[in-house]
Amino acid sequence: NAGVMQNPRHLVRRRGQEARLRCSPMKGHSHVYWYRQLPEEGLKFMVYLQKENIIDESGMPKERFSAEFPKEGPSILRIQQVVRGDSAAYFCASSPGLAVTDTQYFGPGTRLTVL
Amino acid sequence: GENVEQHPSTLSVQEGDSAVIKCTYSDSASNYFPWYKQELGKRPQLIIDIRSNVGEKKDQRIAVTLNKTAKHFSLHITETQPEDSAVYFCAAWQDTGRRALTFGSGTRLQVQP
Repeated sequence: NAGVMQNPRHLVRRRGQEARLRCSPMKGHSHVYWYRQLPEEGLKFMVYLQKENIIDESGMPKERFSAEFPKEGPSILRIQQVVRGDSAAYFCASSPGLAVTDTQYFGPGTRLTVL
Repeated sequence: GENVEQHPSTLSVQEGDSAVIKCTYSDSASNYFPWYKQELGKRPQLIIDIRSNVGEKKDQRIAVTLNKTAKHFSLHITETQPEDSAVYFCAAWQDTGRRALTFGSGTRLQVQP
Protein backbone atom coordinates (compact mmCIF):
# COMPACT_ATOMS: atom_id res chain seq x y z
CA ASN A 1 0.00 0.00 0.00
CA ALA A 2 1.85 3.03 -1.25
CA GLY A 3 1.89 6.05 0.99
CA VAL A 4 1.19 9.64 0.06
CA MET A 5 3.23 10.61 -2.98
CA GLN A 6 4.44 14.06 -3.86
CA ASN A 7 6.40 15.32 -6.81
CA PRO A 8 8.67 16.87 -7.53
CA ARG A 9 10.68 16.46 -4.33
CA HIS A 10 12.74 19.53 -5.09
CA LEU A 11 11.75 22.44 -7.30
CA VAL A 12 13.78 25.50 -8.18
CA ARG A 13 12.11 28.51 -9.75
CA ARG A 14 13.15 32.05 -10.55
CA ARG A 15 11.09 34.95 -9.31
CA GLY A 16 8.02 35.43 -11.47
CA GLN A 17 7.79 31.84 -12.68
CA GLU A 18 5.05 29.37 -11.85
CA ALA A 19 5.40 26.43 -9.46
CA ARG A 20 3.18 23.39 -9.75
CA LEU A 21 3.24 20.83 -6.92
CA ARG A 22 1.50 17.46 -7.12
CA CYS A 23 0.12 15.17 -4.46
CA SER A 24 -1.31 11.68 -4.86
CA PRO A 25 -3.15 10.57 -1.70
CA MET A 26 -3.00 7.11 -0.24
CA LYS A 27 -5.26 4.57 -1.91
CA GLY A 28 -8.77 4.89 -0.57
CA HIS A 29 -8.22 8.41 0.78
CA SER A 30 -10.50 11.10 -0.59
CA HIS A 31 -9.41 14.03 1.60
CA VAL A 32 -6.28 16.04 0.90
CA TYR A 33 -4.70 18.79 2.96
CA TRP A 34 -1.82 21.08 2.00
CA TYR A 35 0.53 22.54 4.61
CA ARG A 36 3.49 24.89 4.28
CA GLN A 37 6.58 24.71 6.47
CA LEU A 38 8.98 27.62 6.50
CA PRO A 39 12.56 26.91 7.61
CA GLU A 40 12.81 26.23 11.34
CA GLU A 41 9.04 26.60 11.79
CA GLY A 42 5.99 24.43 12.24
CA LEU A 43 3.48 23.40 9.60
CA LYS A 44 0.75 25.85 8.67
CA PHE A 45 -2.53 24.78 7.12
CA MET A 46 -3.20 26.10 3.63
CA VAL A 47 -6.13 24.30 2.01
CA TYR A 48 -8.37 21.27 2.41
CA LEU A 49 -9.90 19.52 -0.60
CA GLN A 50 -12.06 16.60 -1.46
CA LYS A 51 -12.47 15.24 -4.98
CA GLU A 52 -13.51 18.16 -7.23
CA ASN A 53 -14.21 20.42 -4.24
CA ILE A 54 -12.30 22.96 -2.19
CA ILE A 55 -13.68 22.63 1.33
CA ASP A 56 -11.55 25.17 3.18
CA GLU A 57 -8.94 27.49 1.69
CA SER A 58 -8.77 29.89 4.61
CA GLY A 59 -5.05 29.29 5.15
CA MET A 60 -4.04 29.95 1.56
CA PRO A 61 -3.02 33.42 0.36
CA LYS A 62 -5.72 34.83 -1.88
CA GLU A 63 -3.26 36.10 -4.44
CA ARG A 64 -1.15 33.81 -6.65
CA PHE A 65 -2.06 30.53 -4.91
CA SER A 66 -4.65 28.02 -6.10
CA ALA A 67 -5.38 24.35 -5.51
CA GLU A 68 -7.41 21.64 -7.13
CA PHE A 69 -8.20 17.97 -6.69
CA PRO A 70 -9.77 16.72 -9.93
CA LYS A 71 -11.89 13.64 -10.31
CA GLU A 72 -8.96 11.89 -11.92
CA GLY A 73 -5.32 12.49 -11.09
CA PRO A 74 -3.40 14.10 -8.27
CA SER A 75 -4.15 17.18 -6.26
CA ILE A 76 -2.22 20.20 -7.51
CA LEU A 77 -1.04 23.26 -5.62
CA ARG A 78 -0.19 26.03 -8.02
CA ILE A 79 1.81 29.15 -7.17
CA GLN A 80 1.93 31.84 -9.83
CA GLN A 81 4.60 34.54 -10.09
CA VAL A 82 6.65 33.07 -7.25
CA VAL A 83 8.57 35.34 -4.88
CA ARG A 84 11.48 34.51 -2.56
CA GLY A 85 9.11 34.35 0.40
CA ASP A 86 7.42 31.34 -1.19
CA SER A 87 10.56 29.27 -0.56
CA ALA A 88 9.46 26.55 1.83
CA ALA A 89 8.62 22.88 2.14
CA TYR A 90 5.10 22.09 1.02
CA PHE A 91 3.57 18.96 2.48
CA CYS A 92 0.32 17.32 1.59
CA ALA A 93 -1.52 14.90 3.83
CA SER A 94 -4.41 12.59 3.14
CA SER A 95 -7.09 10.89 5.19
CA PRO A 96 -9.96 8.59 4.33
CA GLY A 97 -12.65 10.80 5.82
CA LEU A 98 -13.59 13.20 8.55
CA ALA A 99 -14.10 10.93 11.52
CA VAL A 100 -12.00 11.49 14.61
CA THR A 101 -10.41 8.16 13.85
CA ASP A 102 -9.14 9.35 10.46
CA THR A 103 -5.46 10.05 10.91
CA GLN A 104 -3.70 12.31 8.42
CA TYR A 105 -0.64 10.80 6.74
CA PHE A 106 1.95 13.05 5.22
CA GLY A 107 3.80 12.88 1.95
CA PRO A 108 7.57 13.46 1.67
CA GLY A 109 7.10 17.10 0.75
CA THR A 110 8.20 19.35 -2.09
CA ARG A 111 11.00 21.73 -1.25
CA LEU A 112 10.54 24.88 -3.29
CA THR A 113 13.46 27.23 -3.71
CA VAL A 114 12.87 30.58 -5.38
CA LEU A 115 15.99 32.26 -6.71
CA GLY B 1 -9.51 29.75 15.55
CA GLU B 2 -7.44 27.16 17.35
CA ASN B 3 -4.04 28.11 18.72
CA VAL B 4 -1.51 25.54 19.90
CA GLU B 5 1.50 26.50 21.98
CA GLN B 6 4.37 24.10 22.49
CA HIS B 7 7.39 24.16 24.79
CA PRO B 8 10.23 23.87 25.20
CA SER B 9 11.52 24.83 21.77
CA THR B 10 14.71 22.86 22.36
CA LEU B 11 15.44 20.01 24.72
CA SER B 12 18.72 18.23 25.33
CA VAL B 13 18.84 15.05 27.42
CA GLN B 14 21.33 12.32 28.12
CA GLU B 15 20.75 8.91 26.61
CA GLY B 16 18.53 6.89 28.92
CA ASP B 17 16.86 9.91 30.50
CA SER B 18 13.23 10.87 30.00
CA ALA B 19 11.99 13.75 27.85
CA VAL B 20 8.73 15.63 28.29
CA ILE B 21 7.20 18.04 25.77
CA LYS B 22 4.11 20.06 26.64
CA CYS B 23 1.38 21.66 24.55
CA THR B 24 -1.64 23.79 25.30
CA TYR B 25 -4.59 24.45 23.03
CA SER B 26 -7.21 27.17 23.06
CA ASP B 27 -10.35 25.68 21.50
CA SER B 28 -12.30 23.33 23.77
CA ALA B 29 -13.93 21.83 20.65
CA SER B 30 -10.63 20.15 19.67
CA ASN B 31 -10.97 16.43 20.21
CA TYR B 32 -7.96 14.75 18.58
CA PHE B 33 -4.31 15.34 19.44
CA PRO B 34 -1.57 13.66 17.38
CA TRP B 35 2.16 13.92 17.83
CA TYR B 36 4.51 13.89 14.85
CA LYS B 37 8.24 13.28 14.66
CA GLN B 38 10.16 14.97 11.88
CA GLU B 39 13.76 14.14 11.08
CA LEU B 40 15.81 16.59 9.10
CA GLY B 41 14.58 16.88 5.52
CA LYS B 42 11.89 14.25 5.97
CA ARG B 43 8.14 14.08 6.32
CA PRO B 44 6.31 14.38 9.64
CA GLN B 45 5.55 10.89 10.90
CA LEU B 46 2.78 10.12 13.34
CA ILE B 47 4.19 8.54 16.49
CA ILE B 48 1.20 8.55 18.82
CA ASP B 49 -2.20 10.19 19.13
CA ILE B 50 -4.94 10.57 21.69
CA ARG B 51 -8.67 11.20 21.45
CA SER B 52 -10.51 13.50 23.81
CA ASN B 53 -12.33 10.64 25.55
CA VAL B 54 -9.03 9.21 26.82
CA GLY B 55 -6.72 10.63 29.47
CA GLU B 56 -3.58 8.66 28.70
CA LYS B 57 -2.17 6.40 26.05
CA LYS B 58 1.09 4.47 25.97
CA ASP B 59 3.04 2.76 23.23
CA GLN B 60 6.30 1.18 24.43
CA ARG B 61 8.61 4.07 25.40
CA ILE B 62 6.19 6.79 24.31
CA ALA B 63 3.16 8.03 26.23
CA VAL B 64 0.77 10.93 25.84
CA THR B 65 -1.43 12.46 28.51
CA LEU B 66 -4.40 14.78 28.02
CA ASN B 67 -6.04 17.15 30.49
CA LYS B 68 -9.19 18.45 28.84
CA THR B 69 -10.09 20.75 31.71
CA ALA B 70 -6.77 22.56 31.56
CA LYS B 71 -6.55 22.15 27.76
CA HIS B 72 -3.08 20.74 27.72
CA PHE B 73 -1.44 17.54 26.58
CA SER B 74 2.07 16.17 26.91
CA LEU B 75 4.42 13.72 25.22
CA HIS B 76 6.62 11.56 27.41
CA ILE B 77 9.57 9.60 26.03
CA THR B 78 11.33 7.27 28.44
CA GLU B 79 14.76 5.65 28.10
CA THR B 80 15.68 8.03 25.30
CA GLN B 81 18.02 6.86 22.54
CA PRO B 82 20.11 8.86 20.04
CA GLU B 83 17.67 7.89 17.28
CA ASP B 84 14.95 9.78 19.15
CA SER B 85 16.74 13.00 18.18
CA ALA B 86 14.39 14.94 15.89
CA VAL B 87 11.85 17.76 15.91
CA TYR B 88 8.56 16.84 17.55
CA PHE B 89 5.28 18.60 16.74
CA CYS B 90 2.04 18.44 18.64
CA ALA B 91 -1.22 19.21 16.87
CA ALA B 92 -4.89 19.65 17.61
CA TRP B 93 -7.88 18.80 15.41
CA GLN B 94 -11.64 19.07 15.67
CA ASP B 95 -14.46 17.57 13.63
CA THR B 96 -16.21 20.91 13.23
CA GLY B 97 -15.11 24.11 11.57
CA ARG B 98 -11.78 23.99 9.77
CA ARG B 99 -11.11 20.25 10.22
CA ALA B 100 -7.40 20.72 9.63
CA LEU B 101 -4.54 20.13 12.02
CA THR B 102 -3.24 23.13 13.94
CA PHE B 103 0.39 22.52 14.81
CA GLY B 104 2.58 23.70 17.62
CA SER B 105 5.88 25.35 16.76
CA GLY B 106 7.95 22.24 17.41
CA THR B 107 10.51 20.98 19.91
CA ARG B 108 13.99 20.06 18.80
CA LEU B 109 15.05 17.07 20.92
CA GLN B 110 18.72 16.19 21.10
CA VAL B 111 19.66 12.96 22.85
CA GLN B 112 23.32 12.97 23.85
CA PRO B 113 24.99 9.55 23.76
